[in-house]
Amino acid sequence: ETGVTQTPRHLVMGMTNKKSLKCEQHLGHNAMYWYKQSAKKPLELMFVYSLEERVENNSVPSRFSPECPNSSHLFLHLHTLQPEDSALYLCASSLQAFSGVPDEQFFGPGTRLTVL
Amino acid sequence: SQQGEEDPQALSIQEGENATMNCSYKTSINNLQWYRQNSGRGLVHLILIRSNEREKHSGRLRVTLDTSKKSSSLLITASRAADTASYFCATDARDSNYQLIWGAGTKLIIKP
Repeated sequence: ETGVTQTPRHLVMGMTNKKSLKCEQHLGHNAMYWYKQSAKKPLELMFVYSLEERVENNSVPSRFSPECPNSSHLFLHLHTLQPEDSALYLCASSLQAFSGVPDEQFFGPGTRLTVL
Repeated sequence: SQQGEEDPQALSIQEGENATMNCSYKTSINNLQWYRQNSGRGLVHLILIRSNEREKHSGRLRVTLDTSKKSSSLLITASRAADTASYFCATDARDSNYQLIWGAGTKLIIKP
């Protein structure tokens, strides 16, 4: 176990549904990340939060909405998704906050999302 | 844009043999990291090597870094079936304090 948990592990949703992915880290880290992993493509960084403040947003469509209520929890709210959004969504955390250089990231097991 | 590129894309070897994977990158870096991902699961950090380091060991893993060639290699010695996984390198991005740039990975299969 890496100390990062994600729920649900699998999610099937229609294009009109609204759902949320949850991530929790038990490591006392200050930064949390959402990634999208599609088959045969490099990991795509979606959002970064540092000390509960969003610091990066890599041109992600507005149908993905992150929320970080505290340094241990991170949510990804989903609405009106498209079939091409089907992928493995990974949450990660790292110790750093404003250190200037990315350090080791600890990943959760991911949520396998299928959009019908 | 993609920074790290792993080579080969796939590698299949017999248990007990050594496995070598390579990673090339384009811009100057502060550090380079290697991660492992078992099928459909999250990534696990293996090793971080800084730009002023040339070699680093961790158990059966050996990582080298050649900044002049902008490349790194990951060597797994005496491979085991449990080493079957995808391996990714990641480098820091010049214009971001947080972003890692990832390659598409090398899929390693260890045959019993």
